[in-house]
Amino acid sequence: ETGVTQTPRHLVMGMTNKKSLKCEQHLGHNAMYWYKQSAKKPLELMFVYNFKEQTENNSVPSRFSPECPNSSHLFLHLHTLQPEDSALYLCASSQEGIGNYGYTFGSGTRLTVV
Amino acid sequence: KNQVEQSPQSLIILEGKNCTLQCNYTVSPFSNLRWYKQDTGRGPVSLTIMTFSENTKSNGRYTATLDADTKQSSLHITASQLSDSASYICVVRRGGDQAGTALIFGKGTTLSVSS
Repeated sequence: ETGVTQTPRHLVMGMTNKKSLKCEQHLGHNAMYWYKQSAKKPLELMFVYNFKEQTENNSVPSRFSPECPNSSHLFLHLHTLQPEDSALYLCASSQEGIGNYGYTFGSGTRLTVV
Repeated sequence: KNQVEQSPQSLIILEGKNCTLQCNYTVSPFSNLRWYKQDTGRGPVSLTIMTFSENTKSNGRYTATLDADTKQSSLHITASQLSDSASYICVVRRGGDQAGTALIFGKGTTLSVSS
């Protein structure tokens, strides 16, 4: 394991369901991120939390709602998703402000919207 | 425009052979460059991180080079193994930007090692 744990690993949900993705980092980092990875495309940054404050929201539809209750946990709440939202969702963390080196990813949640 | 271009898009090699993956970038100002290995359906795992002053860095059978003048990097894999089959992603961090938006991702090179 990398120190960033994501659950669940796989999720199949209907378009009317509500579900949440969870991310936990054990590295003492001060920033956490959600990324979306679709086939044949680079990782797309969705949300950034720096010191628990949301600092970026890259024009993500409101059907995705992030939550960062503390510096170690990050959630992505999902509701009324579309089939095109099916992708690998990756959580990452980093220690910002000192060298800006470490950037660690979780194993991802494979989401399928049916 | 800040971009990271990787080549080739995909590569097939025989087990035991060497290969080199390329990364060209136009990101400015430059902070550091990272190579990640991503197995299918898994998150990326860091192989190397290189700053402006570093030309070469090794991690086992993986050796990364950086030419900051020409804005090029390469990842050389020696004596390939079946487990090297994965996507290799080049990521450049832009200096001065906030967390998250500072990272510019390449599309990756998909490597397949066959026996």
